[in-house]
Amino acid sequence: DIQMTQSPSSLSAYVGDRVTITCRASQGISNSLAWFQQKPGKAPKSLIYGASGLQSGVPSRFSGSGSGTEFTLTISSLQPEDFATYYCQQYNIYPYTFGQGTKLEIK
Amino acid sequence: QVQLQESGPGLVKPSETLSLTCTVSGGSITNYYWSWIRQPPGKGLEWIGHIYYSGSTNYNPSLKSRVTISVDTSKNQFSLKVNSVTAADTAVYFCARDSAMQYWGQGTLVTVSS
Repeated sequence: DIQMTQSPSSLSAYVGDRVTITCRASQGISNSLAWFQQKPGKAPKSLIYGASGLQSGVPSRFSGSGSGTEFTLTISSLQPEDFATYYCQQYNIYPYTFGQGTKLEIK
Repeated sequence: QVQLQESGPGLVKPSETLSLTCTVSGGSITNYYWSWIRQPPGKGLEWIGHIYYSGSTNYNPSLKSRVTISVDTSKNQFSLKVNSVTAADTAVYFCARDSAMQYWGQGTLVTVSS
């Protein structure tokens, strides 16, 4: 299985900060990577597909980049509603796998 | 707007079969892949498998011997069966559309307990 490793596992930041989360794949996955936001008790919400494609309705402060084995999710200016857990997921090779999650908390 | 809704028993006894259905509304089930994902309480996400509307499937090897995913295009539904369940199968089960999982159901908690 492809291992997806996110860093950091947790992060504290202020409203207005610029934040970057990294996701590394144990082998190349081209650009078959998605990012999700999950709040407690809720289903994950799709933010990014194809490593850099912004899902419809997602604010433009979210952006994704990368290809191969290293990917990033950037939030340009944190808003109060952005505090949540973020997951990356590869869909290039079966079985599809998720990162362990990055919990973003208010400082 | 595409919506997905999971349904099925919230409590299953050990060694029995977990059965869930995902109903798709606001769009057709055809021409897409449809996934099942689960999340044990307080833990991360695990992809269980998916089915194409034509019926072809791929499963996670960690569960493959116990899992069956099927589709009913006439009802715009797809289903999950996990047999021989144990407490380790206790989780919130989600259904989702596409390999990149653009749309998700709200999830349903299934507890395995006698």
